[in-house]
This record gives sequence, structure tokens and C-alpha cells, in this order.
Amino acid sequence: QVQLQESGPGLVKPSETLSLTCSVSGDSISTYYWSWIRQPAGKGLEWIGRIYTSGSTNYNPSLKSRVTMSIDTSKNQFSLKLNSMTAADTAVYYCARGAYCTGGRCHFDYWGQGILVTVSS
Amino acid sequence: QSALTQPASVSGSPGQSITISCTGTSSDVGAYNYVSWYQQHPGKAPKLMVYEVSYRPSGVPDRFSGSKSGNTASLTISGLQAEDEADYYCSSHTTTTTWVFGGGTKLTVL
Repeated sequence: QVQLQESGPGLVKPSETLSLTCSVSGDSISTYYWSWIRQPAGKGLEWIGRIYTSGSTNYNPSLKSRVTMSIDTSKNQFSLKLNSMTAADTAVYYCARGAYCTGGRCHFDYWGQGILVTVSS
Repeated sequence: QSALTQPASVSGSPGQSITISCTGTSSDVGAYNYVSWYQQHPGKAPKLMVYEVSYRPSGVPDRFSGSKSGNTASLTISGLQAEDEADYYCSSHTTTTTWVFGGGTKLTVL
């Protein structure tokens, strides 16, 4: 059974950089694409971006200037950095497996439990 | 990219059927058969219910079905059960190799 677990700070100061890590178990991180998705309280889901084992990335155009994703195959982990944080970035951040349309997996089939990140001084 | 459009809420009685719509554009929903649907209970992570418009992952009851016509996709839940009460989100791949979600629909089982 594939399991994902987010880790990182629950509180970030305005203008600082958020750093989150997703640890994957039950599957090799080298096999799929991996995404970050966030959800402000009481609102909908927003796809942040995805990364492949090669390091290839795709980002949401609305966040592209502030996002960096990386992957560590030796640790079976991938990470998110989001800089210049503001209150509008306060949300639950999820990591998920997916998506890779050419491979017939154009969806997010496994999700972490989510981590609440609050931006406040 | 704009979020896909879903009704804010739908409701139905146990045993009835409901349908949730998801409207996008020719650059997302209308471009590919890559629409997926997610169920989210309060405080929980989303769960994949339907992918590629109409396919169900293993373990998802066949009461859940999906379809698409043009720029609008739909999720139908038949034989409503109390445990179906949740938020539902659609998602679509886009022509710019990104993914977009709908705003979510709150399903209430009366």
C-alpha cells in the first residue's frame, strides 16, 4: 500500500520561504510523477505543481515564480519550496502521487494526510 | 487558468440519485478525457472516485459513475447512502500540462 506523509513547519512568517517534504513508502519514487496540492480553509483544491524522478517539473502558472520542487530518490522523498509567503498562502498542503497522462495515470491516486501551514508573524 | 465550475451544493435523500456537474473550457475538460473526481470528508484527504471521465478505481462502489459531454463533465451517485455525504471535486488536465480543480460541491444526504 502506497503511503505519503508530509512534514515541515506548521507556522511560517510573512515573506519567508516554506519548505515541505513528502516521504513515500510502499512504492519507488522513481516510477511516477509526484504533485503538491493545497487547500485554504473552507475553499477548493489548487494544484501547485509536479515533479518526475528526472527532476523535470511543471508548475501552476499562478505560482511558478515562487515555487521550486526537488526530488531525492535515495530517500524516496520529494520537496516543495514556496517563497515570499503571505497570508493568502495559509492552507493545508497535500502531497499526492500523479499525474502522468501519457502513462494512463492522469489523476492523483494516493494522497498524504495533509499538513496545515499558517502564515503569521 | 480558472477553476472549473461546480454547483456549491446538491442534496438528495437516501436511495435517490444525484448528479454533480463540472464545467470547463475547450482547453481543459473539453480537450481530453482526463477528468477525475475526488471525495473529501471533513478533515480528511481527498479520495479518488473516478478517473479518465468514467473509470472507477478498485474498491469504489459502482454507484459512482462519470460522464462527459463537450466542456462539461458529470458525476452521478445512485442509491445515495449516508456515508456519501461529503465534498466532491472535479479535476482536469489542461492543454498547458497543468491540472485544474473545480471549486467543490457539498453533497448533503437528507
